[in-house]
Amino acid sequence: AQSVAQPEDQVNVAEGNPLTVKCTYSVSGNPYLFWYVQYPNRGLQFLLKYITGDNLVKGSYGFEAEFNKSQTSFHLKKPSALVSDSALYFCAVRDRARNDMRFGAGTRLTVKP
Amino acid sequence: GAGVSQSPSNKVTEKGKDVELRCDPISGHTALYWYRQSLGQGLEFLIYFQGNSAPDKSGLPSDRFSAERTGGSVSTLTIQRTQQEDSAVYLCASSSVAGGNTGELFFGEGSRLTVL
Repeated sequence: AQSVAQPEDQVNVAEGNPLTVKCTYSVSGNPYLFWYVQYPNRGLQFLLKYITGDNLVKGSYGFEAEFNKSQTSFHLKKPSALVSDSALYFCAVRDRARNDMRFGAGTRLTVKP
Repeated sequence: GAGVSQSPSNKVTEKGKDVELRCDPISGHTALYWYRQSLGQGLEFLIYFQGNSAPDKSGLPSDRFSAERTGGSVSTLTIQRTQQEDSAVYLCASSSVAGGNTGELFFGEGSRLTVL
């Protein structure tokens, strides 16, 4: 069965600095990988996904993620963090042979002015 | 509708009572998912539907939990004899068949369940 690990419960960065939110996955075949963001008291919103092709995927709000097959990772990045990026971030994986999607435990990002 | 709609948005119930949570997916989305988010926890997969059938029920925590989907649209998650540990936010999501299994999920705002 597929699974996702987000090793950091909390990430703190200063506004204007680059940010990275880590994600590693386990899946029997080739994965589809996703990042979602959850703002306070809101549902989850889709940020970006990796399906195939270029390992660097660009998404909403200036976020990007890099698929690394050898390290089974899909870290979320942004060159310059904003205070408004503060939220809960979830990585998710879907096995290509299945239709269900499994999520990581989430990482709370706090960007300080 | 324009998005995934869940009701009720908040439900407070007494231990031992049954509750029903409803999800109305985006029109035309054939895949529907239920997740549970407890305070301080990540998203726990419960069940997903492809059309009206549920290929994977492995995430349902106990036999007190059941879900159904009729007409390929609205889904109901039922929790019988609620316990305090059932307190959580229950999230529903849907996905388009046009996206195949590469499609992203669209989430509702959730139903917050509190069992006293």
